[in-house]
Amino acid sequence: DTAVSQTPKYLVTQMGNDKSIKCEQNLGHDTMYWYKQDSKKFLKIMFSYNNKELIINETVPNRFSPKSPDKAHLNLHINSLELGDSAVYFCASSQVGLANTGELFFGEGSRLTVL
Amino acid sequence: AQSVAQPEDQVNVAEGNPLTVKCTYSVSGNPYLFWYVQYPNRGLQFLLKYITGDNLVKGSYGFEAEFNKSQTSFHLKKPSALVSDSALYFCAVKTGGGNKLTFGTGTQLKVEL
Repeated sequence: DTAVSQTPKYLVTQMGNDKSIKCEQNLGHDTMYWYKQDSKKFLKIMFSYNNKELIINETVPNRFSPKSPDKAHLNLHINSLELGDSAVYFCASSQVGLANTGELFFGEGSRLTVL
Repeated sequence: AQSVAQPEDQVNVAEGNPLTVKCTYSVSGNPYLFWYVQYPNRGLQFLLKYITGDNLVKGSYGFEAEFNKSQTSFHLKKPSALVSDSALYFCAVKTGGGNKLTFGTGTQLKVEL
């Protein structure tokens, strides 16, 4: 069973469109994340949710809106897509608590191409 | 603020030779340090971590890393490289209790026959 699964794996769309990427984890973790990896492979955190509550919100345009319906799911919706949004988006999860050591479990990534 | 630096974009090693991938960090407080590996078109996989205790940490696939507080470094090492070790390696840091893991820029390891 896949621990952290993302859909779709590939997404090609036109500028100005709205798209969503879904993420689910079956590890029982409390915290989920979205990371963006650009064409140079730089990896940057975008958002983090703990038990459906937003705890990290980096400097990300308002066009990006995460939604966590429950602690096992974290979706990413992007409005008015721009060329610069083209990247690989990774979902990850971790168990947060006193014994938290920050180990992240990553999904396989969703490659978004904006034309 | 916390940050990590990986000074080498690429490291080339012959199979069977030892390898080192460098990482230095900057953080307020005690660091939690990690290494992750990314194979082509895959997500990142956890390799090893330093939280406290012994400065030499052993991880998956024969990799190890040494925490050096005075040099603020956490270099990844392996005594004998394999072609299958070729991948992109990321160093990462967080502070205890913090939720934000900051990644370095990655080092592409290429192991050749």
